[in-house]
Amino acid sequence: GIQVEQSPPDLILQEGANSTLRCNFSDSVNNLQWFHQNPWGQLINLFYIPSGTKQNGRLSATTVATERYSLLYISSSQTTDSGVYFCAVEGNAGKSTFGDGTTLTVKP
Amino acid sequence: NAGVMQNPRHLVRRRGQEARLRCSPMKGHSHVYWYRQLPEEGLKFMVYLQKENIIDESGMPKERFSAEFPKEGPSILRIQQVVRGDSAAYFCASSPPLAGATDTQYFGPGTRLTVL
Repeated sequence: GIQVEQSPPDLILQEGANSTLRCNFSDSVNNLQWFHQNPWGQLINLFYIPSGTKQNGRLSATTVATERYSLLYISSSQTTDSGVYFCAVEGNAGKSTFGDGTTLTVKP
Repeated sequence: NAGVMQNPRHLVRRRGQEARLRCSPMKGHSHVYWYRQLPEEGLKFMVYLQKENIIDESGMPKERFSAEFPKEGPSILRIQQVVRGDSAAYFCASSPPLAGATDTQYFGPGTRLTVL
């Protein structure tokens, strides 16, 4: 099956800093999503981005499908950005394969 | 349009009991996926269902676990004779019927199962 690798596994930032999270995947995919799981366990869909670049406020994402990676950018981070960020890719079979996540801690 | 609904949100069972987790997909969605998240880990695929059909159950443990998505009503994930290792968050996702391209999956809030 498809392998998904996220880096870094942990990230500690001061409020206001910028960060880049990376997701590498081992095969071509039909779909890629970025999720934020908040400290209460809720999964929030951030981007559906099988290719190209999207922006939503302080967040943006870029997927380079030909090189099998995606990047999530967080600018001017806030304490509410803390949590785990997951990348999930979907191959031909319909199911999603999740990476192990990046745990982000934003300190005030 | 209500999102994906899961109930109960929290479920406590003693070892050996049965756990039944329910998932109501978004209106118009006919594909349901179940994922399990063990403590401190990412989500792992369990099973993919369409109405009255199991499409892919490659992530389901061979014993004690079963899933269904009947013609009417929610999808059910059933765990028989639960053990402490079944304690996890179980997430359900749904997507609309495929129309030549895959669609994003919409996730429910999850059911947190605790086995005492």
